[in-house]
Amino acid sequence: GAGVSQTPSNKVTEKGKYVELRCDPISGHTALYWYRQSLGQGPEFLIYFQGTGAADDSGLPNDRFFAVRPEGSVSTLKIQRTERGDSAVYLCASSLTVDSVTEAFFGQGTRLTVV
Amino acid sequence: DQQVKQNSPSLSVQEGRISILNCDYTNSMFDYFLWYKKYPAEGPTFLISISSIKDKNEDGRFTVFLNKSAKHLSLHIVPSQPGDSAVYFCAASGSGNTGKLIFGQGTTLQVKP
Repeated sequence: GAGVSQTPSNKVTEKGKYVELRCDPISGHTALYWYRQSLGQGPEFLIYFQGTGAADDSGLPNDRFFAVRPEGSVSTLKIQRTERGDSAVYLCASSLTVDSVTEAFFGQGTRLTVV
Repeated sequence: DQQVKQNSPSLSVQEGRISILNCDYTNSMFDYFLWYKKYPAEGPTFLISISSIKDKNEDGRFTVFLNKSAKHLSLHIVPSQPGDSAVYFCAASGSGNTGKLIFGQGTTLQVKP
């Protein structure tokens, strides 16, 4: 596809369950970013990858959150033992390189609801 | 600590008039500022940016002004159109970490026909 694709678009899960959110970046983009947007707030940085490695994971709120990008393309954000406070829209973005973060393209997001 | 702030949660403007969205920041090390526009159920889309070495950047109906001494930037849309109705986020990058954007809380703009 031409843009950043995120699946699923919506996810409802029970408290305590494990979830995986997927991001397919724009082909050829080496940098990939995850953000979280809570209601009434702006996107909040979680982690970014340059290639396969996590270059900065300082935004991950705690060790229940983990992200991987094993082949330098698709990335998965994994949340263990979900809590109601994890409910938010999770946004993924990609850019050609990390130096072009100001030209990042965002996906439509995955709305996660923890009940 | 909110490094990028948009203090107006909403703004309503008549079609054809000017919309002015404001943003304040606290970190003087930011070297790039951006505005994003977001429609419901869509991801943010890039609108316009400005480097910290400039004080103005214009692109069609959109102009961003940067006042570094006041740590303030604004987005001007003129003339405003109903299709401009969306949530607008300002964001900043730099401060030694080029991979991270710091976003404000957003301002919801409504342009009335």
